[in-house]
Amino acid sequence: KQEVTQIPAALSVPEGENLVLNCSFTDSAIYNLQWFRQDPGKGLTSLLLIQSSQREQTSGRLNASLDKSSGRSTLYIAASQPGDSATYLCAVWDARQLTFGSGTQLTVLP
Amino acid sequence: NAGVTQTPKFQVLKTGQSMTLQCAQDMNHEYMSWYRQDPGMGLRLIHYSVGAGITDQGEVPNGYNVSRSTTEDFPLRLLSAAPSQTSVYFCASGKDRVSGSSKGQFFGPGTRLTVL
Repeated sequence: KQEVTQIPAALSVPEGENLVLNCSFTDSAIYNLQWFRQDPGKGLTSLLLIQSSQREQTSGRLNASLDKSSGRSTLYIAASQPGDSATYLCAVWDARQLTFGSGTQLTVLP
Repeated sequence: NAGVTQTPKFQVLKTGQSMTLQCAQDMNHEYMSWYRQDPGMGLRLIHYSVGAGITDQGEVPNGYNVSRSTTEDFPLRLLSAAPSQTSVYFCASGKDRVSGSSKGQFFGPGTRLTVL
């Protein structure tokens, strides 16, 4: 059974810092990995999708990497802003289901 | 495109009542699924469907029924609601029906259900 772990569970940083969120998964037989953002009381917003054949994807200040063989992904956020405060979820897709990590709750202090 | 839509946004039920959570997508996606999100438990898969007429159980299927008569709609039925089903429910869709390509999963805004 696939298991997805996200470290740290919570992170608080001052505005302007660069930061890295970590995600690991136990079964490398995945088709893709997706990073989501969830604001309190809201739904999930897709940030980045990395196909299993890719190593990284970038969108604005966000960069996600994937090392499928070691079962790891990182989400890099550059020049963090208070508006980045949210819970970030990592999920892996095996063509049947999306398995989620428990998320990293990020707080960016002004 | 409206994307993935869910109704209702909020619902309060009494124990034993039944209801249907609606989910629809207009992106011609083959795959649709239902998740529940609980504090400390994360998002867990309830049921999923890989196409019209085909459904299967996820991690936590007990107490829920689904059917998929069309590509667009994937309703979730609670036959006899229990307090343990108090949760936030998300519907998702993905994988293009024609090309088979996956551009990730798209989520609806969620339904907040309280069972008293």
